[in-house]
Amino acid sequence: EDQVTQSPEALRLQEGESSSLNCSYTVSGLRGLFWYRQDPGKGPEFLFTLYSAGEEKEKERLKATLTKKESFLHITAPKPEDSATYLCAVFPDSSYKLIFGSGTRLLVRP
Amino acid sequence: DSGVTQTPKHLITATGQRVTLRCSPRSGDLSVYWYQQSLDQGLQFLIQYYNGEERAKGNILERFSAQQFPDLHSELNLSSLELGDSALYFCASSVGGEDSPLHFGNGTRLTVT
Repeated sequence: EDQVTQSPEALRLQEGESSSLNCSYTVSGLRGLFWYRQDPGKGPEFLFTLYSAGEEKEKERLKATLTKKESFLHITAPKPEDSATYLCAVFPDSSYKLIFGSGTRLLVRP
Repeated sequence: DSGVTQTPKHLITATGQRVTLRCSPRSGDLSVYWYQQSLDQGLQFLIQYYNGEERAKGNILERFSAQQFPDLHSELNLSSLELGDSALYFCASSVGGEDSPLHFGNGTRLTVT
């Protein structure tokens, strides 16, 4: 069964304290892996798509990487405005469904 | 702003009732997806339409149905509502390829009392 697992469930950082979020996946074949940011009461906001192992994408303080079994979202020198829930999702070869993990709630304290 | 419009933003109704949620996709997007998000379940895929045709179905209850119209807007109909149907319902759209990102609206918050 296709599955996406994110860790940790919650993460508290001080402003400027870099860290990484993990997304591990089990799928028969991967069309694409997506990272989203979700603020309370809002819809998920698209951040990155990764298609193949070794690929990396960057946007401001965020950098996403992909291996054959997992993806990392690295946050460098985070700011309080980076506080949100970060969601990972995969599009398996076998399905038209985008399958989401349960997310990592990130809180960055000033 | 993702360009995906969902109405209404909030809906409060009683058990047993029927409601309709509406979604207008981004200009040019042919695919529409519906997701349900509750506190203990995360984002659960309900159904996908591509250019008016149903393409994929998730764990959508028989009391729920959806359609995509010729102008590409979509409606999600929820009937015989139960307390457990209270959730955020999101619509997302994409250009259509399975590797193209989904862009989400801000959801409809449904409260069943």
